[in-house]
Amino acid sequence: GEDVEQSLFLSVREGDSSVINCTYTDSSSTYLYWYKQEPGAGLQLLTYIFSNMDMKQDQRLTVLLNKKDKHLSLRIADTQTGDSAIYFCAEGYGGATNKLIFGTGTLLAVQP
Amino acid sequence: DAGVIQSPRHEVTEMGQEVTLRCKPISGHNSLFWYRQTMMRGLELLIYFNNNVPIDDSGMPEDRFSAKMPNASFSTLKIQPSEPRDSAVYFCASSAPDSPLHFGNGTRLTVT
Repeated sequence: GEDVEQSLFLSVREGDSSVINCTYTDSSSTYLYWYKQEPGAGLQLLTYIFSNMDMKQDQRLTVLLNKKDKHLSLRIADTQTGDSAIYFCAEGYGGATNKLIFGTGTLLAVQP
Repeated sequence: DAGVIQSPRHEVTEMGQEVTLRCKPISGHNSLFWYRQTMMRGLELLIYFNNNVPIDDSGMPEDRFSAKMPNASFSTLKIQPSEPRDSAVYFCASSAPDSPLHFGNGTRLTVT
């Protein structure tokens, strides 16, 4: 079955690195995504990784994928107060209709 | 591109009334998704369409919920009759094949 889990809350100090973790159960997913949701807004795509990759870096964001353990992480370097939001990981199956299954979301609180 | 457009942004209605939520996907996207977000259950996929055809409506909670996509640029989600437990934020998202989902800003529904 499809199940994606995340820890609920993470607190860091401004300037530190944040690491948000995610585990999933379905190894047939094709893509894994990270979305950010700010208060009162929709989900904004941050980055994604193809399932045959181990790592992807995009400016301050680093995504690591351990397919054997079905573990995905998002590292945010030099975390800023503007990074405070809920972060969702999601697995997708690609194809004509890229249905996504979302995790529970991790609330990132950045302390000044 | 204007992105995925949802209306209304906020809806307050009384129990028993009919509610209609509207969505305009991004032009050229062939898949459309309706999600519901609550504190208790997180993000739930209600239904999705591919090329205007409903593919999977197994997430629709009850017969009181229905969704249509009469053409490639418009979809509705209807709740009739509405109940207080339907209060949530409803998101519409669209995507092209093998591409990430793009979300609208959601409709916050309150049923009193």
